[in-house]
Amino acid sequence: GENVEQHPSTLSVQEGDSAVIKCTYSDSASNYFPWYKQELGKRPQLIIDIRSNVGEKKDQRIAVTLNKTAKHFSLHITETQPEDSAVYFCAASNPSNTGKLIFGQGTTLQVKP
Amino acid sequence: SAVISQKPSRDICQRGTSLTIQCQVDSQVTMMFWYRQQPGQSLTLIATANQGSEATYESGFVIDKFPISRPNLTFSTLTVSNMSPEDSSIYLCSAGGGLTEAFFGQGTRLTVV
Repeated sequence: GENVEQHPSTLSVQEGDSAVIKCTYSDSASNYFPWYKQELGKRPQLIIDIRSNVGEKKDQRIAVTLNKTAKHFSLHITETQPEDSAVYFCAASNPSNTGKLIFGQGTTLQVKP
Repeated sequence: SAVISQKPSRDICQRGTSLTIQCQVDSQVTMMFWYRQQPGQSLTLIATANQGSEATYESGFVIDKFPISRPNLTFSTLTVSNMSPEDSSIYLCSAGGGLTEAFFGQGTRLTVV
């Protein structure tokens, strides 16, 4: 089955700097890759996703890149702000396999003012 | 988008007892999923709740321990049976997936004493 590895487990940056979180997946049939943000005590919320027919997607300060050949994808946050501090999860889905999401281990991002 | 109501939000249970968690979606959805999230950890998929048929369980999870019902396209329950302290965790239901956003319930924080 699918296995998703996520790095780093913790990331501390200064406000205004960029943050990059990387994930690799094992199932070459996976073709949907969302990123979720989870604040303490709250449910995961989708922040951006990418499908396998594109290599990059941007939404304001957030971007995701996908390399299907290497089976890895990354989240880029620019101009970080303290409110970006949270746990971020990557996930992968193979729609032909019920569409279930398999999550990475999570990255705790701390943005220092 | 979908709005998911999950209850109870938290409970403290005696070991050996069972707890049923309910998940209600405000629209019909094909796929529903149940996850477990232990403190400080990622989301681990327990099972896919299939409408009109038995749930599909992931490795390490069995029906006797985590029976699931899916009577229609908007509702599902997860029961945690014969609980032990190791079952203390947050349980989350999810709807959607495949190539589209998956939404999450607010979670049930379970403590077994």
